[in-house]
This record gives sequence, structure tokens and C-alpha cells, in this order.
Amino acid sequence: DAGVIQSPRHEVTEMGQEVTLRCKPISGHNSLFWYRQTMMRGLELLIYFNNNVPIDDSGMPEDRFSAKMPNASFSTLKIQPSEPRDSAVYFCASSHGLAENNEQFFGPGTRLTVL
Amino acid sequence: AQSVAQPEDQVNVAEGNPLTVKCTYSVSGNPYLFWYVQYPNRGLQFLLKYITGDNLVKGSYGFEAEFNKSQTSFHLKKPSALVSDSALYFCAVRDGKGIGTASKLTFGTGTRLQVTL
Repeated sequence: DAGVIQSPRHEVTEMGQEVTLRCKPISGHNSLFWYRQTMMRGLELLIYFNNNVPIDDSGMPEDRFSAKMPNASFSTLKIQPSEPRDSAVYFCASSHGLAENNEQFFGPGTRLTVL
Repeated sequence: AQSVAQPEDQVNVAEGNPLTVKCTYSVSGNPYLFWYVQYPNRGLQFLLKYITGDNLVKGSYGFEAEFNKSQTSFHLKKPSALVSDSALYFCAVRDGKGIGTASKLTFGTGTRLQVTL
């Protein structure tokens, strides 16, 4: 049974370039979360969706960040233009609904380096 | 607002000894508590959760956690540590106010567990 799939696993880009991170949630899960992890700030929730609809994007740091979920099996997180301070590991997670007792299942992450 | 604190950045324990990783929380409603583990270059992996009922929750890999409402704590424990348990451990809390209104899972800063021979 496949878990959450993220691609690419590693991304190195130059400042100013557009970066697109991809996520495929676990089949049957209808909630999807994007997190960012850095040494300085720990694990931060950026945005989450329920039934493909963004519920809370208050964690998105700037307008340079955008996320979409065009269907139940795919989501993207885009950074345009990218900056060195965006360097982090970005995780996607999914869960079966938003009920409080539902655990989230995390993907392996995308390690982004912006030079 | 909900929050969780992990007071120790690192915990060191010898293999075979019991381990405890501490977590305290703050919520306005009923707490839903979770422990996750992160191995190097991997995503977070669910270990166990407390929703309601028995205060002692058993999870994966021999880990357990004890919910203490009066102390607002949810410490992670294991009777006998293994070197392979060395990893980063995260406590997380969700405020049980109602579906959709408080669905954010708030994570602690993580505690690095180092188990040595």
C-alpha cells in the first residue's frame, strides 16, 4: 500500500527561479497538508485542504507561495520567485478527514535548496 | 490557542534502560495528543495517539505514552531502549473543539533521542 508520494525528493535551484513541489496523498484520504521544516523554525503548517478545497492558508509565508489541489490525488506547492531563505524540507501529509482523532501520514519530503 | 512543549532538546540513554521523552500541552477543549518519530532523511511516522479512555496508550515499536490531565502531560516511554530507537521525536496536539474548526495539528520542537551501547 503506497504511502504519501512526493516529488522531487531533492531540488536545487537558483534564486529567482520557480519551484514546484508535488504530492500524491494516500488513496481515500480527503485531507492534505503542506508543512515546512527548518532547523530554526521547526515544523510549520503552511496550508491544508479538505476535499480539494483550501481550508486554512494562514501559514503560507508570502504571496510567493501558492498551493493547489486540482483533484483528490494531486497537489502542488509553488514558490515563485524562490529565495535562499526558502531552503527547507517540505513535507506533504494526508489524513482521512479532519476529525480530531485522525492521524496524519507524512511523505518522505522534498529537500529544497535555493542558491 | 493550542500549544505543545518539549522541554528537552536531547535525551541520552543507554541501550536496555528505560526512556522517557517529555511533552506538555495547552488546549482550551479536550486534547487529542499524538507522538511521531522522524528518522534521518525521512518523513514523520505516526507512533501513537490519545483520544479518550485509558490514560496509558500503547503504540508501535514497544512505545507507550501516559496521558496526565492534571499535569497536562503526555510523556513518551519505553521500558527498554534500543540503539535503533535513536531518532527525532515530536509531540503534537489538536484541540477537540469540533470538526473543521480546530483541525490544525500543532507540533512541538522535537526531542532528539540518542541511545548508546
